[in-house]
Amino acid sequence: EAQVTQNPRYLITVTGKKLTVTCSQNMNHEYMSWYRQDPGLGLRQIYYSMNVEVTDKGDVPEGYKVSRKEKRNFPLILESPSPNQTSLYFCASSLQGPWGEQYFGPGTRLTVT
Amino acid sequence: QKEVEQDPGPLSVPEGAIVSLNCTYSNSAFQYFMWYRQYSRKGPELLMYTYSSGNKEDGRFTAQVDKSSKYISLFIRDSQPSDSATYLCAMSVDAGGTSYGKLTFGQGTILTVHP
Repeated sequence: EAQVTQNPRYLITVTGKKLTVTCSQNMNHEYMSWYRQDPGLGLRQIYYSMNVEVTDKGDVPEGYKVSRKEKRNFPLILESPSPNQTSLYFCASSLQGPWGEQYFGPGTRLTVT
Repeated sequence: QKEVEQDPGPLSVPEGAIVSLNCTYSNSAFQYFMWYRQYSRKGPELLMYTYSSGNKEDGRFTAQVDKSSKYISLFIRDSQPSDSATYLCAMSVDAGGTSYGKLTFGQGTILTVHP
């Protein structure tokens, strides 16, 4: 089944404790992206990757890191999480770019206390 | 000012009504215009997309883009309770444009269609 998977789905952590949210797609897509969703703010792009080894900042990259070493994986790293990073996170992928149909993962709900 | 503005609603309509959802934008470089639908506790899914100006129809859904006014719309005809969801507009520049990998969303409009 074609899909984007994210892990974990739910995470409660404390300020400053490094964490990684994994994202994997099995559709051989070139483009992958991370978003956060907050009430009243819609989806905001954190980072995106046009292809392997190429990543770039979205609108809200502060406090996040990403890497794209393989085509299928695009982990999101929070080196020192803070409470303002409490949010619902989505990973997505598409064949070539943001203009194509993006397939979204199920989301990761992160709470930082 | 945000690059993309969308009325968050909420919008509540009776079954069978025509629904109009709208977004305005400020970046004249946007060329791809998309509408995503998001059901509660799910990731968004692409509903329709349009390149540049014009109209596009798919069943009960019609997407319109007016680049001269920097305004896009999604119309839902004969709305059904199953259309109840959050609708998000999204926009990007053309391949090769500045920041062409970025995708900018509106805030989303919560729609409820009641029987």
